Amino acid sequence: KQEVTQIPAALSVPEGENLVLNCSFTDSAIYNLQWFRQDPGKGLTSLLLIQSSQREQTSGRLNASLDKSSGRSTLYIAASQPGDSATYLCAASNYGQNFVFGPGTRLSVLP
Amino acid sequence: ETGVTQSPTHLIKTRGQQVTLRCSSQSGHNTVSWYQQALGQGPQFIFQYYREEENGRGNFPPRFSGLQFPNYSSELNVNALELDDSALYLCASSLFLPSLGDEQFFGPGTRLTVL
Repeated sequence: KQEVTQIPAALSVPEGENLVLNCSFTDSAIYNLQWFRQDPGKGLTSLLLIQSSQREQTSGRLNASLDKSSGRSTLYIAASQPGDSATYLCAASNYGQNFVFGPGTRLSVLP
Repeated sequence: ETGVTQSPTHLIKTRGQQVTLRCSSQSGHNTVSWYQQALGQGPQFIFQYYREEENGRGNFPPRFSGLQFPNYSSELNVNALELDDSALYLCASSLFLPSLGDEQFFGPGTRLTVL
């Protein structure tokens, strides 16, 4: 059974800093991994989807990598801005299985 | 292109009551998944509908049930509400099946409070 954890649970950084959010999963036979952003009390916004045949995906200031052998994915945010403040969730699925979410990392970017 | 919409936005019920939540999927999407998100936690998978048939279920009791309609909109019904059912209920749609690698798009959620 796939299990997903995220460290740290919360992170506070000054504006302009580059940062890395971590996501770990227990079953390396992962099929895909998706990163989301969630603002307080709101739904999830899809950021990046990495399929098992890919090692990374990029969108603007965001870069997500996937290392199946180590059971890890990282989300890199360059030149952070106060508008990036939100909770970031990763979700992993194995083939034929539904997504399992991590608990999220709450990010605060201070002006 | 219209995104995923959910109604109502907020709902307050009392223990033992029944509730129906609604979701309209993104245009062209034929799969809808429902999730429950308790405060401070990640979403938990409830069930998924693909072309009007249930196609997977998480660890939720039978009092959680659903429907998908020919236009691919969906309902989540919860009977005999309990205090622990208080949560944000999220609906996600995808073109095909997320379990086969398809990206999910989420609605804004329905906040359910059970008193």
